[in-house]
Amino acid sequence: GEDVEQSLFLSVREGDSSVINCTYTDSSSTYLYWYKQEPGAGLQLLTYIFSNMDMKQDQRLTVLLNKKDKHLSLRIADTQTGDSAIYFCAESAHTGGFKTIFGAGTRLFVKA
Amino acid sequence: EADIYQTPRYLVIGTGKKITLECSQTMGHDKMYWYQQDPGMELHLIHYSYGVNSTEKGDLSSESTVSRIRTEHFPLTLESARPSHTSQYLCASSDPSGTGRRGELFFGEGSRLTVL
Repeated sequence: GEDVEQSLFLSVREGDSSVINCTYTDSSSTYLYWYKQEPGAGLQLLTYIFSNMDMKQDQRLTVLLNKKDKHLSLRIADTQTGDSAIYFCAESAHTGGFKTIFGAGTRLFVKA
Repeated sequence: EADIYQTPRYLVIGTGKKITLECSQTMGHDKMYWYQQDPGMELHLIHYSYGVNSTEKGDLSSESTVSRIRTEHFPLTLESARPSHTSQYLCASSDPSGTGRRGELFFGEGSRLTVL
C-alpha cells in the first residue's frame, strides 16, 4: 500500500536553514502536504504542492518536489525557536478520494 | 481559520468507564476523521465518515465506535476504557469539493485520554 517516510528528528541552530525530507510511494499522488503540530495542539496545514509543480515558495518556506524520485522536502530559512514543532509530510490522490496518508512526523528542535 | 472543536481536551478516567469524545465542525464539511496519535507521534486513522449515516473503520483497528447523525457532529465512544486506550485522539474534517479542493484536513486541538 501507499507509504510516506520521513526522518524522526532534526536539530538546528537558530538562524540556520532547516531541511526536512520525505519520500512517498504512491505515484498517483495529487497533492503533497506539510503539516505542523505544535505541542498540545492539532495539526495545521503549513503548505502544500500540487503534483505537477517542482517548487513552491512561501516566505521562509520552500517546498521542492522530485516526482521521479518521489521525494519531497521542506526548507525553512532563518529557523526560529518558534519553528520547533513536529512536521508531518502527507500525500493524497484524487483517485483515492483524497484519502490522506501521513508520515510519522519529524520533530524539529531549534537551539538558541 | 479552522472551526473544528474537540471536547474534552484532557480526560483522566478509571478502567471500565464509558467515555465519549466530542467533535464538532461548523464548516459544513462532509468528510470527518478520527486519528489516534501514539507517543511516537505517528498518526493512525481509526474511523472516518463521508457524510451523515456513513461510518467506516480506518487503517488501525480500534475498539471505539463512532456515529454520524448530523453533518457537524462526529463523536467517538469507548464502552469500557482500558489503559491501552491511553492516547491522543485527533478529529479532522475536509471538503474536497469546496474551498478545501486541495484535500486539506482541518484538525481539532485533540483530546488527550489517560486511563488509569
